[in-house]
Amino acid sequence: EVQLVESGGGLVQPGRSLRLSCAASGFTFDDYAMHWVRQAPGKGLEWVSGLDWNSNNIGYVDSVKGRFTISRDNAKSSLYLQMNSLRPEDTALYYCAKGPYSSFIYYFDYWGRGTLVTVSS
Amino acid sequence: EIVLTQSPGTLSLSPGERATLSCRASQSVSNSYLAWYQQKPGQAPTLLIFGASSRATGIPDTFSGSGSATDFTLTISRLEPEDFAVYYCQQYGSSPWTFGQGTKVEIK
Repeated sequence: EVQLVESGGGLVQPGRSLRLSCAASGFTFDDYAMHWVRQAPGKGLEWVSGLDWNSNNIGYVDSVKGRFTISRDNAKSSLYLQMNSLRPEDTALYYCAKGPYSSFIYYFDYWGRGTLVTVSS
Repeated sequence: EIVLTQSPGTLSLSPGERATLSCRASQSVSNSYLAWYQQKPGQAPTLLIFGASSRATGIPDTFSGSGSATDFTLTISRLEPEDFAVYYCQQYGSSPWTFGQGTKVEIK
């Protein structure tokens, strides 16, 4: 059974940093692309970032470029999101999501339960 | 970026009725790279449809997707009680991957 468990969320002041983690199990992690998708309270879904199986191809939504960095450790079956210079508009539930193939140019076939990030002074 | 507009915003129907949800793209979605997700309150989204019309593993055939280019449709042929939820379309033909704003299917 595919399991994705996010951690690292919390309350942080504007301008500060936070690192999210996603622990994956139930599949061969290094065969698949991975993503972060967020959902602001009461709002819709927004793709944040994704990377392919070997991190050679990475993408970000414009609003986080230069502030967020996605990475993965295939040996640990883990995905990360380093978030710097956080803004109140980054407040959201952050989901870790798996792609169906090694390339990140696809949809999301499994999702974690999310970790909540609140940016507020 | 491709903007997806879903309609209606809310659909009020009774169990057993047919639901038709629309997703319109601001420009053509290449290769019909469009997916549909279901999200219930307090839960993560679940993949229903990919490639505009292919059902994901374990999704009943009461769910079907159709369309191409800029116009896509999700149809639920007979609503079951567990189908009342919010539905999102998502395009993955052009980065950044974008979602529609969602359609809520509620019990009438």
